[in-house]
Amino acid sequence: SQTIHQWPATLVQPVGSPLSLECTVEGTSNPNLYWYRQAAGRGLQLLFYSVGIGQISSEVPQNLSASRPQDRQFILSSKKLLLSDSGFYLCAWSPVFHTFGSGTRLTVV
Amino acid sequence: GQQLNQSPQSMFIQEGEDVSMNCTSSSIFNTWLWYKQDPGEGPVLLIALYKAGELTSNGRLTAQFGITRKDSFLNISASIPSDVGIYFCAGSDAGAGSYQLTFGKGTKLSVIP
Repeated sequence: SQTIHQWPATLVQPVGSPLSLECTVEGTSNPNLYWYRQAAGRGLQLLFYSVGIGQISSEVPQNLSASRPQDRQFILSSKKLLLSDSGFYLCAWSPVFHTFGSGTRLTVV
Repeated sequence: GQQLNQSPQSMFIQEGEDVSMNCTSSSIFNTWLWYKQDPGEGPVLLIALYKAGELTSNGRLTAQFGITRKDSFLNISASIPSDVGIYFCAGSDAGAGSYQLTFGKGTKLSVIP
């Protein structure tokens, strides 16, 4: 069966520090992969999606970037975090409907 | 772009009451999905609807894909405390190619024991 792993679960980082969140999917090949951000327990904002290795589409221009170095690995990064980057980050994969990871709670201080 | 209007934004209900929430869209979707998010967790798929007019049940949950393909509703019968969470509707236009979903802003449900 397919599973999605996302880590870390929580992260507290100072302003200006780098960020790397990792997401991996098991039990499938060539999945569509997604990064979402959720602020204050409300709506889901699509940040990036990928339909294949090295193929990244950005939905919202901002202080973040994404990479897909392997078929089932999706990484969310930042060179210098801002306070406004705080939030709940969710990775998801799909053939059609999304299956979400358990999320990373990022607090920038 | 496509937008989903989900209502209500929040609900406070007594345990045992029925709940109804809905989503409307400015454009047509081929698939409607309903997710539930428990606090601190990722959303989990509850019901998927693939055909206009389709009515699907999952235990105490019932959802319908509107005939116009621009709306969907979710009903929860006889609510219990574990129904607490945020419910999201989502629409998919598979013709877009990358299977992106358009999400509603969520309905936050609180159940008073």
